[in-house]
Amino acid sequence: AQTVTQSQPEMSVQEAETVTLSCTYDTSESDYYLFWYKQPPSRQMILVIRQEAYKQQNATENRFSVNFQKAAKSFSLKISDSQLGDAAMYFCAYRPNTGNNRKLIWGLGTSLAVNP
Amino acid sequence: GAVVSQHPSRVICKSGTSVKIECRSLDFQATTMFWYRQFPKQSLMLMATSNEGSKATYEQGVEKDKFLINHASLTLSTLTVTSAHPEDSSFYICSAREPGSYNEQFFGPGTRLTVL
Repeated sequence: AQTVTQSQPEMSVQEAETVTLSCTYDTSESDYYLFWYKQPPSRQMILVIRQEAYKQQNATENRFSVNFQKAAKSFSLKISDSQLGDAAMYFCAYRPNTGNNRKLIWGLGTSLAVNP
Repeated sequence: GAVVSQHPSRVICKSGTSVKIECRSLDFQATTMFWYRQFPKQSLMLMATSNEGSKATYEQGVEKDKFLINHASLTLSTLTVTSAHPEDSSFYICSAREPGSYNEQFFGPGTRLTVL
């Protein structure tokens, strides 16, 4: 069965500093996507970044970047120059790229606090 | 990005009544929509996958007679909580999958259900 593990229930970072959130996953598939979602206090789920498994290059979106280690099944999120608005729950998610429904498999989340 | 709406955003009802929650994809056609439940400070729990024109596929442990899902058109899916009880109080989130290269899921803003 596919699983996603986030081992850090809570993290904190000083404003303008860098923080890395960890995520590991387990799958026997070779074609899949990995995602980081942000859920702020409004509870609207927002896609932060996606990574396609067959792409070796790590995805980046402005201040957000990932370290994708396929062999180790690791997918960490780095937030640079942290801002107060980055405070939120962050969820790592896995989705196979085969099958009809392609459900997202979710980690338990990491609550990120940003200190001024 | 694509927009998904949910209505209502909040609902309070008496025990024993039924509540309907609507999920609409506003600017794309979604053949597949997903319904999630989220408890405070927890991850998303997939309840069911809704495919347009066919019966929903429920996850293990989810009562299909209690959580009725209808996906009658390519832009609308509804979740009806029948004979609601206080333990059904929760945050319900829908997502719609946009056909395309990423088959990305876009999330609604959620519905807070409180059963008295």
